[in-house]
Amino acid sequence: KQEVTQIPAALSVPEGENLVLNCSFTDSAIYNLQWFRQDPGKGLTSLLLIQSSQREQTSGRLNASLDKSSGRSTLYIAASQPGDSATYLCAVPSGSARQLTFGSGTQLTVLP
Amino acid sequence: EAGVTQSPTHLIKTRGQQATLRCSPISGHTSVYWYQQALGLGLQFLLWYDEGEERNRGNFPPRFSGRQFPNYSSELNVNALELEDSALYLCASSPGRSGRADTQYFGPGTRLTVL
Repeated sequence: KQEVTQIPAALSVPEGENLVLNCSFTDSAIYNLQWFRQDPGKGLTSLLLIQSSQREQTSGRLNASLDKSSGRSTLYIAASQPGDSATYLCAVPSGSARQLTFGSGTQLTVLP
Repeated sequence: EAGVTQSPTHLIKTRGQQATLRCSPISGHTSVYWYQQALGLGLQFLLWYDEGEERNRGNFPPRFSGRQFPNYSSELNVNALELEDSALYLCASSPGRSGRADTQYFGPGTRLTVL
């Protein structure tokens, strides 16, 4: 059974700082890994999807990496802004099934 | 292009009642997924529909059920509501059974409160 872990559970940084969020998964036989953002009480916004054949994916100030063999992914946020404050979730499809297994998220606060 | 839409935004019910939640996928998407996000429990997979059929269900009791209509919209029904069913219910859609997992796009959710 796939299990996804995210560390740290919460992170508070001053504006402008670069930061890294971590995600690990137990079953390396994944098709892809997806990073989401969730604002309080809202739905999920897809940030990046990395296919299993890729090592990195970039979108603006965000860069996600994937190391399938070690079961890890990182989300790098450059020059953080208060608007980046949210909960960040990583998720992987569960084996041959299509549904996503989510980590418990990292709650990020960027202080002005 | 319109995203995934869900209705209602909020729903308040009492124990024992039934709740019906609705989801419209992105145009052209045939797969719809339902997830439950209860306080302190994280996001849990409920149901997956594609081309009108239930393809998979998570570890939830049978009183959680649903269906997908010919236009690919979907309905989630929760019977005999219990207090612990209070949660944010999220619907997601993806292009369909292309042979590999696709990006899932999420709606804003329905907040169900059971009193």
